[in-house]
Amino acid sequence: DAGITQSPRHKVTETGTPVTLRCHQTENHRYMYWYRQDPGHGLRLIHYSYGVKDTDKGEVSDGYSVSRSKTEDFLLTLESATSSQTSVYFCASKQDPNTEAFFGQGTRLTVV
Amino acid sequence: AQSVAQPEDQVNVAEGNPLTVKCTYSVSGNPYLFWYVQYPNRGLQFLLKYITGDNLVKGSYGFEAEFNKSQTSFHLKKPSALVSDSALYFCAVRDPPNAGNNRKLIWGLGTSLAVNP
Repeated sequence: DAGITQSPRHKVTETGTPVTLRCHQTENHRYMYWYRQDPGHGLRLIHYSYGVKDTDKGEVSDGYSVSRSKTEDFLLTLESATSSQTSVYFCASKQDPNTEAFFGQGTRLTVV
Repeated sequence: AQSVAQPEDQVNVAEGNPLTVKCTYSVSGNPYLFWYVQYPNRGLQFLLKYITGDNLVKGSYGFEAEFNKSQTSFHLKKPSALVSDSALYFCAVRDPPNAGNNRKLIWGLGTSLAVNP
C-alpha cells in the first residue's frame, strides 16, 4: 500500500468548533483529494489539490477549507463544525490523472 | 454532464458462483474507468482501470471488467466468488486528457456485494 495516513482516525467535537484533519503521503504524489462518505451518497469530493498551494473546490466544499503548503501534507479544516458534517472523511493521492488513487484509512468525525 | 450509475445497491451471490457488479457511465469522449473496493472500516483500494486497448481488463484478486462502448458499461466480474470478496464496490470515471476537467473522478454510489457460504 502507498504511504498515506490520516490523523486523527476518530474525533468527536462540539458544534461551532473548528476542526482540522490531516492527510500525509510519502509517495511524492502531485494530486491530493478530500472526500466525505455518507450512506446513500457514496463518495463526494470536498476539495482537491493539484500541486503545492494549488487547490480547487469539489462538489461539497461549503464549510470546508484546505491548505497544501508541502507536497506531502493536505489539511482539511472545518471552520465551524456542524452536525451535518458528521461523516467519514477520506484522503486520497495520485501522481497524475491517469493513475490510480491511493486512499487513507479514513477519519470518523462526529459533531455533537 | 458526466455521471456514473451503479444500478444495484446490493448484489448477493453464492460462494463459487460467478459474480457481476454493474456500472454504466455517461461522459464525453472516451472515458477513463476505474473500479475500487472498500472492505469494512477501511479506505478504498484500487482494483482495475480501463484507459485504452483491450476491452477486457484484468485486475487484482481475480477480478476483471469489460468495457462496452456501445452500451456505455464497465461491469465488474469474477468467475468464482469468495466469501472474502464481500465488500463495497465503487465504479468511477473521469474525462480523458484535454476534455474538460480531468483531474477529478466521478463516483458511483457503490454496490454492496455479499457472498454467501
